[in-house]
Amino acid sequence: TAGITQAPTSQILAAGRSMTLRCTQDMRHNAMYWYRQDLGLGLRLIHYSNTAGTTGKGEVPDGYSVSRANTDDFPLTLASAVPSQTSVYFCASSPHPGTGGLGTEAFFGQGTRLTVV
Amino acid sequence: GQNIDQPTEMTATEGAIVQINCTYQTSGFNGLFWYQQHAGEAPTFLSYNVLDGLEEKGRFSSFLSRSKGYSYLLLKELQMKDSASYLCAVLDSNYQLIWGAGTKLIIKP
Repeated sequence: TAGITQAPTSQILAAGRSMTLRCTQDMRHNAMYWYRQDLGLGLRLIHYSNTAGTTGKGEVPDGYSVSRANTDDFPLTLASAVPSQTSVYFCASSPHPGTGGLGTEAFFGQGTRLTVV
Repeated sequence: GQNIDQPTEMTATEGAIVQINCTYQTSGFNGLFWYQQHAGEAPTFLSYNVLDGLEEKGRFSSFLSRSKGYSYLLLKELQMKDSASYLCAVLDSNYQLIWGAGTKLIIKP
């Protein structure tokens, strides 16, 4: 069972370059999310999508963009990377957003460790 | 603002019991989740509480008091593999998860 797959697992990126982090799920979940996780801080939501064709901004969206062309894929793009975007990025999905209860819990990919130099 | 507080780090002994506390102040409440995250790995779902009281699942139990904005995760019969970070997250009025910074639990033999 694949679940959620992220690629790459790690990357070193020169400042000013662009990059797309890929995320694919095979669970047919409606909602997908991108988080960043930094030492000493909780997971912070970057962007989310409650269903294919829709996206929304999270807590820290600046410098990032997403698209949700279909149910399975939710890529995250950094248009021009800066060192403050060095972080571990997690993609997640949940079956039923906006309902509360079980079915809202998030399932995570293995993460992408990004270093911007 | 929204805030979730957990202790940064706790240490416990193999075979013992440990309680990890979480207090929250959020705009609305639609449930509280606990996740486990081993170093270098993804968080994995442990438990969910939406009503006051204790939910038991094997060696792990989770408690919620909505009036106090308080939850705890209780781990019994600790094993070395329980060494991990434990993340508390609240589903707010917009059905978005608000995450605590996590509690790193160190288990000693």
